[in-house]
Amino acid sequence: AQSVTQLGSHVSVSEGALVLLRCNYSSSVPPYLFWYVQYPNQGLQLLLKYTTGATLVKGINGFEAEFKKSETSFHLTKPSAHMSDAAEYFCAVRTGGTSYGKLTFGQGTILTVHP
Amino acid sequence: GAVVSQHPSWVICKSGTSVKIECRSLDFQATTMFWYRQFPKQSLMLMATSNEGSKATYEQGVEKDKFLINHASLTLSTLTVTSAHPEDSSFYICSARDSIRTGPTFSYEQYFGPGTRLTVT
Repeated sequence: AQSVTQLGSHVSVSEGALVLLRCNYSSSVPPYLFWYVQYPNQGLQLLLKYTTGATLVKGINGFEAEFKKSETSFHLTKPSAHMSDAAEYFCAVRTGGTSYGKLTFGQGTILTVHP
Repeated sequence: GAVVSQHPSWVICKSGTSVKIECRSLDFQATTMFWYRQFPKQSLMLMATSNEGSKATYEQGVEKDKFLINHASLTLSTLTVTSAHPEDSSFYICSARDSIRTGPTFSYEQYFGPGTRLTVT
């Protein structure tokens, strides 16, 4: 079985500050890892994903994440927060086999950006 | 990028009635679509996997007779909430899986719809 834990349901930063959203996963097989962003009353937009290869993944809007197998982590970062980054962020894991294509989501982290 | 639409974007219905939500892949064919529900301030929970031309696969604890899924074409899946009750009020989100060929291999991407807000009174 696979699972995802996002540490911190709420994160608050000042505009221009570093954004760090934490995600740890559990998977019995090599995982595919995703970060999605959700704005109020909207669906999910893919920020970035890790499948294989380079462990540092760059996504849209200046976000990046690093896959660390030894730490079973896939934390999301952005060097400088913008007001428009305020949203809810979900980490997700996907594995193959009989659950091919199924995403398991973390609990979500609400990011607030202060002026 | 690939676009998935949902209709309606919001719906209010009376308790005991049924409501149908449509999920369409607009610019690609999706043999597989997924239905999620999201309660306020909670994460997405997978309800079922919808496969074109076959029966949907429901997650444990999801009543298949209450949440009817039909995937009659490669671009359309529908979720019907039958005999809706206030506890069914939620945000329902679908996603459609697209296969992408890179040389000899295929990879899969899921694209999410904008969601449907269901309120049962």
